[in-house]
Amino acid sequence: SQKIEQNSEALNIQEGKTATLTCNYTNYSPAYLQWYRQDPGRGPVFLLLIRENEKEKRKERLKVTFDTTLKQSLFHITASQPADSATYLCALGDSGGGADGLTFGKGTHLIIQP
Amino acid sequence: NAGVTQTPKFQVLKTGQSMTLQCAQDMNHEYMSWYRQDPGMGLRLIHYSVGAGITDQGEVPNGYNVSRSTTEDFPLRLLSAAPSQTSVYFCASSYSQQGVYGYTFGSGTRLTVV
Repeated sequence: SQKIEQNSEALNIQEGKTATLTCNYTNYSPAYLQWYRQDPGRGPVFLLLIRENEKEKRKERLKVTFDTTLKQSLFHITASQPADSATYLCALGDSGGGADGLTFGKGTHLIIQP
Repeated sequence: NAGVTQTPKFQVLKTGQSMTLQCAQDMNHEYMSWYRQDPGMGLRLIHYSVGAGITDQGEVPNGYNVSRSTTEDFPLRLLSAAPSQTSVYFCASSYSQQGVYGYTFGSGTRLTVV
């Protein structure tokens, strides 16, 4: 069955450093991968999308890489700030263009220490 | 724009009761879906819809029904609530135009079945 793995333990990073979160998957050939941010008591918020034929995407302080050979995506937050503290979710989708929903990982809790 | 609106925010049901979780979006999105989020399990897809009149099952559909009579609304019905359905429920929507887009999530409904 499809399996998505994200760092199960909280990730503590010092303010100003780069936070790197990992998303690994097995038994899946996704057409694209998305990253979401979720704050306590709130719904997930879309951050970035990267397609299977793309190696890297950037948006302001965020960078996502996608290695279909390693079956892995890395999510980077540069110059991290305490406000970046949240749970980050990795989600995979097939070639249906998002019509049939996403498969989510369990998320990584990121804590940025001032 | 209100985005995706879910009601109610909180609900307590007794085992065997039925209820409908409401979801409405004002972005003219064709794609809509329902997820449940449980501790340690991540977000799991319940049902999804690619447009008015079209619905399909996701990963965990048992005990839930959906319908999509309009583009805006996608209610989720619990036919006979069970304690195993205690969870936080999220509704999400996305564009269907050419390409792939991130999903917009509602703020969730926290359901407790006693």
